[in-house]
Amino acid sequence: NAGVTQTPKFRVLKTGQSMTLLCAQDMNHEYMYWYRQDPGMGLRLIHYSVGEGTTAKGEVPDGYNVSRLKKQNFLLGLESAAPSQTSVYFCASRPWTAGSYEQYFGPGTRLTVT
Amino acid sequence: AQSVTQLDSQVPVFEEAPVELRCNYSSSVSVYLFWYVQYPNQGLQLLLKYLSGSTLVKGINGFEAEFNKSQTSFHLRKPSVHISDTAEYFCAVVQAGTALIFGKGTTLSVSS
Repeated sequence: NAGVTQTPKFRVLKTGQSMTLLCAQDMNHEYMYWYRQDPGMGLRLIHYSVGEGTTAKGEVPDGYNVSRLKKQNFLLGLESAAPSQTSVYFCASRPWTAGSYEQYFGPGTRLTVT
Repeated sequence: AQSVTQLDSQVPVFEEAPVELRCNYSSSVSVYLFWYVQYPNQGLQLLLKYLSGSTLVKGINGFEAEFNKSQTSFHLRKPSVHISDTAEYFCAVVQAGTALIFGKGTTLSVSS
């Protein structure tokens, strides 16, 4: 049981380049989330999904797009990277079970945009 | 919208001393609260959670937290810390039954 995995672990992009971060979970969870972590800012929600084929905006969605074509995968895309998107990105998932709000986190992807 | 305030950005403490990390949340009808820990270069790991019931919640690694509705607080405590407790700690609250809203984090530094 791998839990939540993220690919890649590190990436350096030039301004204007595009990339996709992949999050995969093997726990059959309905909910999946993308956060970014910046020093002194905590974790801020970018987008989330409550099930296959659905996505919703979080607190800081601008400059990002997401897709949830399969229940186990949640992709985060940057169409035209900017230095302000230099951050550590975390994916998380949780089950739909009523009263269960605990999220399970992946190890993170460190992205640098130059 | 819910919000969380972690009152200390950094807490330095000596090994075997007690520690308290403070967290206040904005008031709401139903409150579900969490403490997560992040060790260097790792993801977040759940320490403990309050969903209902007893206001004193015990978690992993000897940590506990007390839910105080009148003071809208959920402070994290440990009676005796170890070097290995050095990490960043995040308080979080559930919003709209879907997302977690995180505080900005408290860096706990334990020295010998």
